[in-house]
Amino acid sequence: DTGVSQDPRHKITKRGQNVTFRCDPISEHNRLYWYRQTLGQGPEFLTYFQNEAQLEKSRLLSDRFSAERPKGSFSTLEIQRTEQGDSAMYLCASSLATQDGYTFGSGTRLTVV
Amino acid sequence: AQRVTQPEKLLSVFKGAPVELKCNYSYSGSPELFWYVQYSRQRLQLLLRHISRESIKGFTADLNKGETSFHLKKPFAQEEDSAMYYCALKGKGSQGNLIFGKGTKLSVKP
Repeated sequence: DTGVSQDPRHKITKRGQNVTFRCDPISEHNRLYWYRQTLGQGPEFLTYFQNEAQLEKSRLLSDRFSAERPKGSFSTLEIQRTEQGDSAMYLCASSLATQDGYTFGSGTRLTVV
Repeated sequence: AQRVTQPEKLLSVFKGAPVELKCNYSYSGSPELFWYVQYSRQRLQLLLRHISRESIKGFTADLNKGETSFHLKKPFAQEEDSAMYYCALKGKGSQGNLIFGKGTKLSVKP
């Protein structure tokens, strides 16, 4: 297992387009998290899954954002009708339910032009 | 409101000097606090958590409820400690929400 994988590493898209990111967590981890990080800020929580159930969503997750984890393994984060303010690093992390520490992926850097 | 404050954006010390990275939090009740580190061109990784009371890479952090602080300390800084350090607080009533500070960039000069 090589840790948490995120794809793509970079995405440049035009304003108004839809984008989708993928996260593959550590295989035995049943919890998966999405965070967003902008320049000069710490990561901000977006949403989290336990197995396939989405248990928490931040107010940051507007209705243009949707996340899924259909079989309790990989997850996707989709942003519809992207805006320039969506430009950020999108981080995925995973953990075991009994652990407190998260294992982060390298992130997907989104640039909306 | 739950909040994490890291007052220093940048901290520069010489090799061998003591280092203290400040973290203050706002939380009612018993907080769960963490330090994460991001080395250049690497992913964010857990450094330590207060419940473990552990020392990792010579770093320690003590929870001070009276001062609502969780400062990260190391007696003798090494050049390889240069990195971005984030303090994080587990959100109240949450299983997934870690509230991060803005981070402090530590630069250890030779």
